[in-house]
Amino acid sequence: GDSVTQTEGLVTLTEGLPVMLNCTYQTIYSNPFLFWYVQHLNESPRLLLKSFTDNKRTEHQGFHATLHKSSSSFHLQKSSAQLSDSALYYCALSNYQLIWGSGTKLIIKP
Amino acid sequence: EAAVTQSPRNKVTVTGGNVTLSCRQTNSHNYMYWYRQDTGHGLRLIHYSYGAGNLQIGDVPDGYKATRTTQEDFFLLLELASPSQTSLYFCASSDTGTPNSDYTFGSGTRLLVI
Repeated sequence: GDSVTQTEGLVTLTEGLPVMLNCTYQTIYSNPFLFWYVQHLNESPRLLLKSFTDNKRTEHQGFHATLHKSSSSFHLQKSSAQLSDSALYYCALSNYQLIWGSGTKLIIKP
Repeated sequence: EAAVTQSPRNKVTVTGGNVTLSCRQTNSHNYMYWYRQDTGHGLRLIHYSYGAGNLQIGDVPDGYKATRTTQEDFFLLLELASPSQTSLYFCASSDTGTPNSDYTFGSGTRLLVI
């Protein structure tokens, strides 16, 4: 069945360095929607960005991701990490329900 | 913006106890979901519904019942709570079942079964 893989359970970075969180997926659908949700400490998950267009960069709140169907990837990136980016990040695939990755905890240190 | 309200925020119960978690959404969304969140497991779908009176089984339904009484209200029932059900529970809603639908989450209910 469909699945989402986030290979890093924990990513620790120094403030100002670039962020890249990996997300790959498997699906039988030719036009999947991919999502990134962010969950800050003691909060609920909220949508960060989403895309279904192949090879088109999607941006929101300083983060960006590009859906690459050829490699089944939707990595999340940011050019310069901020302390406030520390959170849990979920990648998800939609096949009429959301299929969630296991999440990547991002810790940004001063 | 859709609002999803969960109650209670925190709950402690004993093993074998009866617990009901409540969720209400106020934006006329069709779909509602119950998830549990545990470290190392991410978000796991327990039950979901696409309308009043409808119930669909999720990925981890054992030990849980759910009921959707109205368009707005979705309840999760633990009739014989066990320590393994200690978790953070989230309710979510989405407008339709189409692939591009965003999910709106409630604030969560933290359940401790002792």
